[in-house]
Amino acid sequence: KAGVTQTPRYLIKTRGQQVTLSCSPISGHRSVSWYQQTPGQGLQFLFEYFSETQRNKGNFPGRFSGRQFSNSRSEMNVSTLELGDSALYLCASSPGQGYTEAFFGQGTRLTVV
Amino acid sequence: DQQVKQNSPSLSVQEGRISILNCDYTNSMFDYFLWYKKYPAEGPTFLISISSIKDKNEDGRFTVFLNKSAKHLSLHIVPSQPGDSAVYFCAALNQAGTALIFGKGTTLSVSS
Repeated sequence: KAGVTQTPRYLIKTRGQQVTLSCSPISGHRSVSWYQQTPGQGLQFLFEYFSETQRNKGNFPGRFSGRQFSNSRSEMNVSTLELGDSALYLCASSPGQGYTEAFFGQGTRLTVV
Repeated sequence: DQQVKQNSPSLSVQEGRISILNCDYTNSMFDYFLWYKKYPAEGPTFLISISSIKDKNEDGRFTVFLNKSAKHLSLHIVPSQPGDSAVYFCAALNQAGTALIFGKGTTLSVSS
């Protein structure tokens, strides 16, 4: 069974640009969550989607948005990039019913210059 | 305000000895906890979990203990191996079951 796939693995963007990150969950999983990892803050929850609906959102500005498609694949978008958005962005999938644990992808390393 | 805290940023242990990683939480409504292990340039990998109806859960060399009254959990690794060197994250499942709330992690170094 294929794991969680995130693309691209690495990305360099300029301040003010926007970026879209992609996540393909494990087959059959309907819940996709996004997390931001920075050295000082650890892993912080961004949002979670289940069956194309956002069920939960973390404490991030509106520049961070996401969506989920009917095949459960998810995208995350960050507009008007700031230097502080440089981080590892992790996607996690879970079946969505009777939550036990989430399975993480390898992440996308975003660097904003 | 951090709801899940790992107060030790790092821990060094000799191979064969016990590693004890600690985690505290503030929200008494949390009832499911997980530990993840992370190597550099990889995503976190699930290790072990515990429900609040239990006070202990074992899986091979890994044991998690939960003390609800103290809002404290710990991960014991016995015996520690050099391959266990990684960052360990403690996480609590939010009440809606839709998000994990992570601590900032503890870097474990196991020397041979």
